[in-house]
Amino acid sequence: KAGVTQTPRYLIKTRGQQVTLSCSPISGHRSVSWYQQTPGQGLQFLFEYFSETQRNKGNFPGRFSGRQFSNSRSEMNVSTLELGDSALYLCASSLDPTSGSNEQFFGPGTRLTVL
Amino acid sequence: GQNIDQPTEMTATEGAIVQINCTYQTSGFNGLFWYQQHAGEAPTFLSYNVLDGLEEKGRFSSFLSRSKGYSYLLLKELQMKDSASYLCAVRDRGSNYQLIWGAGTKLIIKP
Repeated sequence: KAGVTQTPRYLIKTRGQQVTLSCSPISGHRSVSWYQQTPGQGLQFLFEYFSETQRNKGNFPGRFSGRQFSNSRSEMNVSTLELGDSALYLCASSLDPTSGSNEQFFGPGTRLTVL
Repeated sequence: GQNIDQPTEMTATEGAIVQINCTYQTSGFNGLFWYQQHAGEAPTFLSYNVLDGLEEKGRFSSFLSRSKGYSYLLLKELQMKDSASYLCAVRDRGSNYQLIWGAGTKLIIKP
C-alpha cells in the first residue's frame, strides 16, 4: 500500500507570492490533516478535512487555506507569503479521526523557504 | 483549556533505559499517541493508549493514567538510532476529536 505523498518536496518562494501544496492520502483514508513545523518546534495544527469538509481549524491567519477533493486528495494554499512562513509542512492521513486507535500516517513533508 | 507538557530535551546512554513523561489537560480525553521523529523526517507512530495501564511493544512501552492526566514512554536497551524527538499527542473529544500535540522531547543517546 502506497504511503502518503506530498508534492512538491521542496519549494523556494519570495515574499508576497502565493503557494499551493498537495497531499495524496493513503488509499481508503478519508481524513487529511495539515501541520506546520519550524526548527525545534512541535507540530502546529493548520486544519483537518474529512470527506471534503473542514472539520477543524487551527489558529492561523486567513492567508492559510485548504480544501479536499472527492478522491480525498487535499491542497493547502498560502497567500501573500511572509518570511515566517518558512517551515516544513506536513500532511497526515487517517481512516476516521473519531474512531478508536486509528493513527495518523505522515507524508515526507514539503519544505518551504520564503526569501 | 488544552495543554500538553513534555520535557524539552533528555540525554541517555546507549544500552540504558529512559522514561519520557507527558502530562496533559483536555476537556474530553479520547486516547493518547506517541510518535517518533528523526531529524528531517516525518513523524512515525509508536503507540496508542486509551485505557489505564502499560502497553508493551518490543523495546518500547507506553503507560497511561487517565486520573492523573499522565503518560510515559519507556525505551529499553537504548540504541544510537533511538536519538530522535518523541511527540505526545492527545485526541480531544471537546475539540471535535482534534489531535492536540506536545512540543516534543528531543532524546540524545551517548555512547
